[in-house]
Amino acid sequence: GESVGLHLPTLSVQEGDNSIINCAYSNSASDYFIWYKQESGKGPQFIIDIRSNMDKRQGQRVTVLLNKTVKHLSLQIAATQPGDSAVYFCAEGPPPSNTGKLIFGQGTTLQVKP
Amino acid sequence: DAGVTQSPTHLIKTRGQQVTLRCSPKSGHDTVSWYQQALGQGPQFIFQYYEEEERQRGNFPDRFSGHQFPNYSSELNVNALLLGDSALYLCASSMYRIYTGELFFGEGSRLTVL
Repeated sequence: GESVGLHLPTLSVQEGDNSIINCAYSNSASDYFIWYKQESGKGPQFIIDIRSNMDKRQGQRVTVLLNKTVKHLSLQIAATQPGDSAVYFCAEGPPPSNTGKLIFGQGTTLQVKP
Repeated sequence: DAGVTQSPTHLIKTRGQQVTLRCSPKSGHDTVSWYQQALGQGPQFIFQYYEEEERQRGNFPDRFSGHQFPNYSSELNVNALLLGDSALYLCASSMYRIYTGELFFGEGSRLTVL
């Protein structure tokens, strides 16, 4: 079946360094991906999305890269801050017929060391 | 602008009991999706409500049911509770006609089944 997975359950980085969180997917027909951040005690929060007609998309301090050949995407966070400490999920985007259904991976916990 | 609100925040039930969780979507949103998040896992799609009807359903048994009201708020009901139903239940809102992976999540209802 379809699945979205992350490579590492935990990533520890020094404050000010760049962070890279990786994600693999299995469904070659997938064409829309989203990254969410979940802080402790809160619901997931949208960070950035990317569609399959793009290889790269940038936001504020974040960049998502999509490699369709190897079915891999990554989230890069520049100048990581303590407030970036959270669990990060990649998710496969909803089909046009159901805008509420996302398929989430298991998550990577980002720990930022001061 | 009120975001997604859920109640109760925490509750404890025993096996075999029934539970009702409530959600009010973000102002202006007409669609509510429910997710179950087990400890250490990514959220899993339960179902979605739009125009007071269940539009799509994930791989969950009939013990899980829901309702949407004319004001777009929603309830999730779980009957005959099992220990494995212990999880964080998340509500997410969106606009049905807008194709996006950006869902707005509430902070969730933490259900513990003893």
